[in-house]
Amino acid sequence: EDQVTQSPEALRLQEGESSSLNCSYTVSGLRGLFWYRQDPGKGPEFLFTLYSAGEEKEKERLKATLTKKESFLHITAPKPEDSATYLCAVQARMVQGAQKLVFGQGTRLTINP
Amino acid sequence: GAVVSQHPSRVICKSGTSVKIECRSLDFQATTMFWYRQFPKKSLMLMATSNEGSKATYEQGVEKDKFLINHASLTLSTLTVTSAHPEDSSFYICSARGPGQQETQYFGPGTRLLVL
Repeated sequence: EDQVTQSPEALRLQEGESSSLNCSYTVSGLRGLFWYRQDPGKGPEFLFTLYSAGEEKEKERLKATLTKKESFLHITAPKPEDSATYLCAVQARMVQGAQKLVFGQGTRLTINP
Repeated sequence: GAVVSQHPSRVICKSGTSVKIECRSLDFQATTMFWYRQFPKKSLMLMATSNEGSKATYEQGVEKDKFLINHASLTLSTLTVTSAHPEDSSFYICSARGPGQQETQYFGPGTRLLVL
């Protein structure tokens, strides 16, 4: 069964304090790993898609990396506006039917000024 | 990025009534749309997957007669919660994906449903 586990569940940082969020996955044939940001009361906002081990993508203070077993979302010098829940999801290969996303539980990130 | 809208953003209804939620892809053709439910401080739970012009595929445990899904066009899918009860109160979120097997899912802003 495809599984996604995110850690830590919650993380509090001071403004400017860099850190990383982890997403471990087991999937039968990875078609893509996705990172989303979700603010309270809103739908997830797309951040990155990673397709193969060794791939990296960056956007402002965020950088996502991928290995064969996990992905990291690195946050460099975060600001209070980076506070949100970060969701990781994998899309598995399927023989037939639509490929669906399997989500982790998310990491609630709080950046204190 | 691609834009997905939902309407209404929040709705309050009486127990026993039906509620329809619309999901639209505004700047791309969504061959596949997904409906999720999210409980407070929990992750997204997939309810069903719908492809344009065909019947929706429901996840295990989701009642298809209670949650009616219609994907009549490449830009519109609707979720109707029939005979709603207080336990159906939740945050419902749709997502849409364009053609191609590696296309990203783009999410709508969500609909908060409260059943009294």
